[in-house]
Amino acid sequence: DVKVTQSSRYLVKRTGEKVFLECVQDMDHENMFWYRQDPGLGLRLIYFSYDVKMKEKGDIPEGYSVSREKKERFSLILESASTNQTSMYLCASSWIIGGANEKLFFGSGTQLSVL
Amino acid sequence: AQSVTQLDSHVSVSEGTPVLLRCNYSSSYSPSLFWYVQHPNKGLQLLLKYTSAATLVKGINGFEAEFKKSETSFHLTKPSAHMSDAAEYFCVVRGYGSSNTGKLIFGQGTTLQVKP
Repeated sequence: DVKVTQSSRYLVKRTGEKVFLECVQDMDHENMFWYRQDPGLGLRLIYFSYDVKMKEKGDIPEGYSVSREKKERFSLILESASTNQTSMYLCASSWIIGGANEKLFFGSGTQLSVL
Repeated sequence: AQSVTQLDSHVSVSEGTPVLLRCNYSSSYSPSLFWYVQHPNKGLQLLLKYTSAATLVKGINGFEAEFKKSETSFHLTKPSAHMSDAAEYFCVVRGYGSSNTGKLIFGQGTTLQVKP
């Protein structure tokens, strides 16, 4: 089974801190994604990457950046954490975008609280 | 632009009764549609997907969904709810077009409660 591992299940940070959320997948997937999940808003795409060192902005990239130096690892960076970034962050990966075999594999999420 | 609207934020059923979770979509292209499920403290899991083959799509755990173009709907159903079906369900459409290609666009989610 594909495994998508997020480094922390819960994280508490202070306003203004630089925060790194790490995600690793073990299936050699080309595509990786970062979403945030908020009650009543579903999942919103922050950034995605379709190859090493490639990245595309999602719907809500402001205040975030990403890094993909290796195929299996996709990092989300909060340059200066703010309280409105308190949320559940979900990482996902997929082998293919589009087509009959398309499927996202998700990590269990990181619940980030910014105080 | 593509979008999905889940018509109910919360659905409550009794165990053994049918489940209906409603989803309407908007897409100027022939859509690819998905349902994902999220059990408490677990990652999202694909339930089923529609990619322009059969309009009635069967998924895991006895769920199925019917694509109705005339109604722009993709409702999720199950004949008989089980306690283990209690979870949050997301209807998802694939994005197309200049800024949306490669994206999955999620609905707001429907929480399914199953009562004994």
